[in-house]
Amino acid sequence: GEDVEQSLFLSVREGDSSVINCTYTDSSSTYLYWYKQEPGAGLQLLTYIFSNMDMKQDQRLTVLLNKKDKHLSLRIADTQTGDSAIYFCAESLSGYSTLTFGKGTMLLVSP
Amino acid sequence: DAEITQSPRHKITETGRQVTLACHQTWNHNNMFWYRQDLGHGLRLIHYSYGVQDTNKGEVSDGYSVSRSNTEDLPLTLESAASSQTSVYFCASSEGGSNSPLHFGNGTRLTVT
Repeated sequence: GEDVEQSLFLSVREGDSSVINCTYTDSSSTYLYWYKQEPGAGLQLLTYIFSNMDMKQDQRLTVLLNKKDKHLSLRIADTQTGDSAIYFCAESLSGYSTLTFGKGTMLLVSP
Repeated sequence: DAEITQSPRHKITETGRQVTLACHQTWNHNNMFWYRQDLGHGLRLIHYSYGVQDTNKGEVSDGYSVSRSNTEDLPLTLESAASSQTSVYFCASSEGGSNSPLHFGNGTRLTVT
């Protein structure tokens, strides 16, 4: 079955790098997503990676995918206080439009 | 700009009442979804639709229903509200296919007393 796991909390200082980790169980995942949720708001798509890729970079964001270990990570370089939010990992399966989400990682950035 | 709008933003209701949460999108997306978000559970899929007149049950569909009479709207109905349905509800839409990201509304916070 589908299961997506994330650590629940991460605290970093402003200017440091943040790394948020995610593991998934379904090997037929096609796309893996990172969403950001700010307080009182819905989820915003940050970035995504196709399962045949191992890395994707988008400005301060780097996504690494280890398909063998079913491990996904999101690295945020030069983390800012505005990056404080909950970050969700999600997977979609081949042929399906529904996403399965992890429970979310709360990132707290202190000055 | 295209958007997805949920209403109301906040709702308080009593146990046993019927409640309908509205979701309206102007993306012209075929796919629409309802999730609930609870502490310790993340987001769980309630119902989804791949087009007009199509509806499907998700992981936690008991006590909820949806209908899709047009492309833009997917209202979520709680037939007889229960305290266990106190939650934050998110509607989302996507164009279609497994490479289509979801666009989310800002959520409805529902309290059942």
